[in-house]
Amino acid sequence: NAGVTQTPKFRVLKTGQSMTLLCAQDMNHEYMYWYRQDPGMGLRLIHYSVGEGTTAKGEVPDGYNVSRLKKQNFLLGLESAAPSQTSVYFCASSRLTSGRAPGTQYFGPGTRLLVL
Amino acid sequence: GDSVTQMEGPVTLSEEAFLTINCTYTATGYPSLFWYVQYPGEGLQLLLKATKADDKGSNKGFEATYRKETTSFHLEKGSVQVSDSAVYFCALSDLSNQGAQKLVFGQGTRLTINP
Repeated sequence: NAGVTQTPKFRVLKTGQSMTLLCAQDMNHEYMYWYRQDPGMGLRLIHYSVGEGTTAKGEVPDGYNVSRLKKQNFLLGLESAAPSQTSVYFCASSRLTSGRAPGTQYFGPGTRLLVL
Repeated sequence: GDSVTQMEGPVTLSEEAFLTINCTYTATGYPSLFWYVQYPGEGLQLLLKATKADDKGSNKGFEATYRKETTSFHLEKGSVQVSDSAVYFCALSDLSNQGAQKLVFGQGTRLTINP
């Protein structure tokens, strides 16, 4: 199993350009998540999905859109990139669990994005 | 809202030293608590977790105990190795109403172990 993979690994954008980050998982997980990691701030949740065709906002959703058309893929879109979106983006997935027992989140290797 | 506070880094130790990285949290309800580790150039990996008060999580010689009375989840290891050099994140889990696990992370602590 490849686990969680992310494409691309690194990208440079100019302000106002758009792009899509792709996350794919081969573990048949129900839940998928997008985080951003900034120096001194840990990871913050952007959006998440509880299943194919459903998405929800996290802590810092502004400026981003997401789609989960297939269970194994979770796309993060930037319609008009801004320098404040320079960050490292991590995707994660976890399985469906019963009750309040949390499933382990498995993280991808990250995408480094620089917006000039 | 929920929050996690970790001790400021970076932390530099010699091999075989004792390690403690402090973590405290603020949460409503009864969150699960986690320590994640990030090695250079990689994504985060779950190191250990605890789901209720007084639980002790352990893995690879690392331990942390869920202390509800002090709202803490400090990470400890008795004898660190050079290979433990990484960034360590404390996190808590806030479940959404659909069961998704929304993690709230601390700011991370960079650990460097010198031979």
